[in-house]
Amino acid sequence: DSGVTQTPKHLITATGQRVTLRCSPRSGDLSVYWYQQSLDQGLQFLIHYYNGEERAKGNILERFSAQQFPDLHSELNLSSLELGDSALYFCASSTSADTQYFGPGTRLTVL
Amino acid sequence: EDKVVQSPLSLVVHEGDTVTLNCSYEVTNFRSLLWYKQEKKAPTFLFMLTSSGIEKKSGRLSSILDKKELFSILNITATQTGDSAVYLCAVGVQGAQKLVFGQGTRLTINP
Repeated sequence: DSGVTQTPKHLITATGQRVTLRCSPRSGDLSVYWYQQSLDQGLQFLIHYYNGEERAKGNILERFSAQQFPDLHSELNLSSLELGDSALYFCASSTSADTQYFGPGTRLTVL
Repeated sequence: EDKVVQSPLSLVVHEGDTVTLNCSYEVTNFRSLLWYKQEKKAPTFLFMLTSSGIEKKSGRLSSILDKKELFSILNITATQTGDSAVYLCAVGVQGAQKLVFGQGTRLTINP
């Protein structure tokens, strides 16, 4: 158990809908990272927040957005969902620059 | 574009064999190289390497980095069925606040 929690574990929704994924980092970690993992793409970096501020953006679609709240938990919002958005979404947290600890992931299925 | 390439993509061996997994990278400003093990869900941290030629070891697993040739290897000796997993290599990039992941090597250990 990494200490990073994510909810929900599974999410099934329809195309065009909007969902919110939630992440609580390890105690004391100020950085939260979001990744998408699909079968054909591997782990793709989406976005990084540090202490409430956006620090880096990866290949994140405009339909996706994230935020980190004062209590350091983070939410990833996915809207206008498409079939291709079906994937595992991981959150990771860290104190040092690189050693990231991953949560259990949210499996999103878009039907 | 920053790139991390792992080989082989898939490997099947017998219990007790020794395996070597490879990771090569091309990034603009290298900071560190990390290895993760991914079984059913979340990647779990194995090693972080920042200096060339210094082996990191944990039980039957060891890893070394060559910053001149831009690669790292992960060795697993006396493999066990519990070592079956996808092994991910990632590179931390200076200033980019993110990890760039390779596609992973799927290792299967047969009894």
